[in-house]
Amino acid sequence: EADIYQTPRYLVIGTGKKITLECSQTMGHDKMYWYQQDPGMELHLIHYSYGVNSTEKGDLSSESTVSRIRTEHFPLTLESARPSHTSQYLCASRGRGDQPQHFGDGTRLSIL
Amino acid sequence: AQTVTQSQPEMSVQEAETVTLSCTYDTSENNYYLFWYKQPPSRQMILVIRQEAYKQQNATENRFSVNFQKAAKSFSLKISDSQLGDTAMYFCAFMGLSSNTGKLIFGQGTTLQVKP
Repeated sequence: EADIYQTPRYLVIGTGKKITLECSQTMGHDKMYWYQQDPGMELHLIHYSYGVNSTEKGDLSSESTVSRIRTEHFPLTLESARPSHTSQYLCASRGRGDQPQHFGDGTRLSIL
Repeated sequence: AQTVTQSQPEMSVQEAETVTLSCTYDTSENNYYLFWYKQPPSRQMILVIRQEAYKQQNATENRFSVNFQKAAKSFSLKISDSQLGDTAMYFCAFMGLSSNTGKLIFGQGTTLQVKP
């Protein structure tokens, strides 16, 4: 069973606030990913990382930023939240070779 | 660019019956993986089954099996003996091997309701 954790699970917050969504994994995976998913819709890749000090933008443009200072930690930050950022954010990690991606529980973000 | 299409937004099946979820994809790559993920309501996305493109044999995991047609770029999921716990949204996903990013391209999803 994969060990990948996201906090918080749910967040309701006002416009203009700075938000950091946490993602941690204990498997030593090099590759980590952030997806955005609107309710009942498909997932879109917004950021990924090959390893420490590596971050890349995904297929869907996002105003969020990420960092990868430690292998196990891949936080996502919104400097100034807006209602358009309301969505679910899913973090995933993947080991080497042909390993599949393992997902966290997700963070449901609602910006008022 | 790769695309994944799931043309069935919603499906329902009676408990103990069999259901097939459809998925087609488009790619110019020859080496890739295909996956089916399950996302129960408000719960974690989990891997159901995966298929390596170079393998002709269809993957099977207990009650779940796939019909992989590489030439037709088709990858359907068959769930046998459906159970209430199979109720979830199912996503078909593609992972190309040419770039080594490991990123997944997802289909739109199919919501499956298993009825008692």
